Amino acid sequence: GQNIDQPTEMTATEGAIVQINCTYQTSGFNGLFWYQQHAGEAPTFLSYNVLDGLEEKGRFSSFLSRSKGYSYLLLKELQMKDSASYLCAVRDRGGNAGNMLTFGGGTRLMVKP
Amino acid sequence: DAGVIQSPRHEVTEMGQEVTLRCKPISGHDYLFWYRQTMMRGLELLIYFNNNVPIDDSGMPEDRFSAKMPNASFSTLKIQPSEPRDSAVYFCASSVDRGTEAFFGQGTRLTVV
Repeated sequence: GQNIDQPTEMTATEGAIVQINCTYQTSGFNGLFWYQQHAGEAPTFLSYNVLDGLEEKGRFSSFLSRSKGYSYLLLKELQMKDSASYLCAVRDRGGNAGNMLTFGGGTRLMVKP
Repeated sequence: DAGVIQSPRHEVTEMGQEVTLRCKPISGHDYLFWYRQTMMRGLELLIYFNNNVPIDDSGMPEDRFSAKMPNASFSTLKIQPSEPRDSAVYFCASSVDRGTEAFFGQGTRLTVV
């Protein structure tokens, strides 16, 4: 099985930088995804990490350390529209459900003016 | 492509009634997933199909839940009889491969009263 932990809520100011952490425990790690979900909408894909290091995509970056079972999503130059839930999802290669995604509970980010 | 299409967007039903949720995946995607999202439990995988065949239904909560995929472009999730604790948002998602980026539909918000 998998255990994925994220903070429940975070608050940040428009224009600032925020880091959302995710820790996980899995027997057969095979990739980590970040999804964004606005209230009442579907999750949408943000980033994917399978190797250690930082993946940058515009204002959003995602970091992975496999040895520490740790990832973070970094959002720069925050905008009001970034207020959403951010879901960390881990892919596990083992068992009948191998290579399936298991989602964390999500971090609700509130961006204030 | 219009993306993953789910219907209805909202469903309110009385306890004991049968509920059928529908999904049309993205053309060419071989994998289809049904998720349930609640505040308490987050996003949970219920069942997934590969090439119209159910592969893993270990997430289906109980026998009241059933899912079918009669062809590559259509799937249903049925709850019979429905109970108030089934109230949640049900998402359908599809992907090219079971571990790659999943594209989500807009979800069906189910309320059982």
